[in-house]
Amino acid sequence: GDSVTQMEGPVTLSEEAFLTINCTYTATGYPSLFWYVQYPGEGLQLLLKATKADDKGSNKGFEATYRKETTSFHLEKGSVQVSDSAVYFCALSWGGSQGNLIFGKGTKLSVKP
Amino acid sequence: EAGVAQSPRYKIIEKRQSVAFWCNPISGHATLYWYQQILGQGPKLLIQFQNNGVVDDSQLPKDRFSAERLKGVDSTLKIQPAKLEDSAVYLCASSLAGTRVIDTQYFGPGTRLTVL
Repeated sequence: GDSVTQMEGPVTLSEEAFLTINCTYTATGYPSLFWYVQYPGEGLQLLLKATKADDKGSNKGFEATYRKETTSFHLEKGSVQVSDSAVYFCALSWGGSQGNLIFGKGTKLSVKP
Repeated sequence: EAGVAQSPRYKIIEKRQSVAFWCNPISGHATLYWYQQILGQGPKLLIQFQNNGVVDDSQLPKDRFSAERLKGVDSTLKIQPAKLEDSAVYLCASSLAGTRVIDTQYFGPGTRLTVL
């Protein structure tokens, strides 16, 4: 069945470091791909999305490119801040699944000053 | 605009007791989802409604879980009787569009359930 695999956490970085969180997927259709973020004590928020191959989603300095050839959607940010500390979830959805989101296990990011 | 509202935020019960969670989606959103998020895992869909009809409940443990969405607005998720393994955060989400359309889901803050 459809699934999402994320790199294991936790990830600890110093402020201004470069961030990559790997995400790969398995899907029977042509999914849309998402990154959601969960800040401490808050609900899940959509960070960015991409709906077709080679699309790049971006928001708040984060980017991810939909790579169909490698079935990947890695999250990157050039310079992280302490305020980026959160849990990040990669997810997929496609029309055949009635728009349901299938999530990875999440990656906890801690950014130290 | 107001976001997705959920209550209660926290609930502690003994095993074999019953519990109910309530969700009010964003106004005008046709589709409503309930997810279960066990500690250390990503959310897993339990049930999806479009208006007041069930679209997908294939992962809902129907022997103990039930959900309804009366009048196509608010929704209630019930567990009866609860088991230890039901300890999780229960997330409600809503989206504007109907099924088979990829649209942004907006999540509520969740209800953290602890079963002792």
